[in-house]
Amino acid sequence: AQSVTQLGSHVSVSEGALVLLRCNYSSSVPPYLFWYVQYPNQGLQLLLKYTSAATLVKGINGFEAEFKKSETSFHLTKPSAHMSDAAEYFCAVTNRDDKIIFGKGTRLHILP
Amino acid sequence: KAGVTQTPRYLIKTRGQQVTLSCSPISGHRSVSWYQQTPGQGLQFLFEYFSETQRNKGNFPGRFSGRQFSNSRSEMNVSTLELGDSALYLCASGPNPQGANGNTIYFGEGSWLTVV
Repeated sequence: AQSVTQLGSHVSVSEGALVLLRCNYSSSVPPYLFWYVQYPNQGLQLLLKYTSAATLVKGINGFEAEFKKSETSFHLTKPSAHMSDAAEYFCAVTNRDDKIIFGKGTRLHILP
Repeated sequence: KAGVTQTPRYLIKTRGQQVTLSCSPISGHRSVSWYQQTPGQGLQFLFEYFSETQRNKGNFPGRFSGRQFSNSRSEMNVSTLELGDSALYLCASGPNPQGANGNTIYFGEGSWLTVV
């Protein structure tokens, strides 16, 4: 069975600082991995995904994530936080024939 | 291209009643999935339909059911509502079954259900 763990339900960073949101996965087969973002009163929007090509994946709005098999991690980063990045972020995992499982989410707060 | 459309956006029901939520997927998408989102539990998978067949089901009681029509539109129904069913119900669509080739799923804005 596959699962996702997001460390930290709330993360606060100062505007201009590095954003690091942590995600660890468990999967018995090579996974596909996703990061989605949810702004208030909206549905989820895809930020980026890993599908076994390059291990460093670049997404929208300056975000990127690195797949590390040895650490079973897929952490999301952005070099410089902007106020508009305040939202909830979800990591998700699936394999080739199964449902997409989401983590519980990390709410990102940006401090002025 | 229109996105995923969910109706109604907001509704209030009384405990014991039933509710039906509707989802129209992106044109050409044949997979529709439903998720329940609550503050404590995050997104929990309810079920997925592909070409009118339920393909996967999450760990929810039988009060939660769904169906998909030949035009790929989907409905989910919750009977005998409980206070704990208050949540945001999200629908997502994709061109292929979930999990296939790293298929991206696209979400609607959700239906907010409050049970009083």
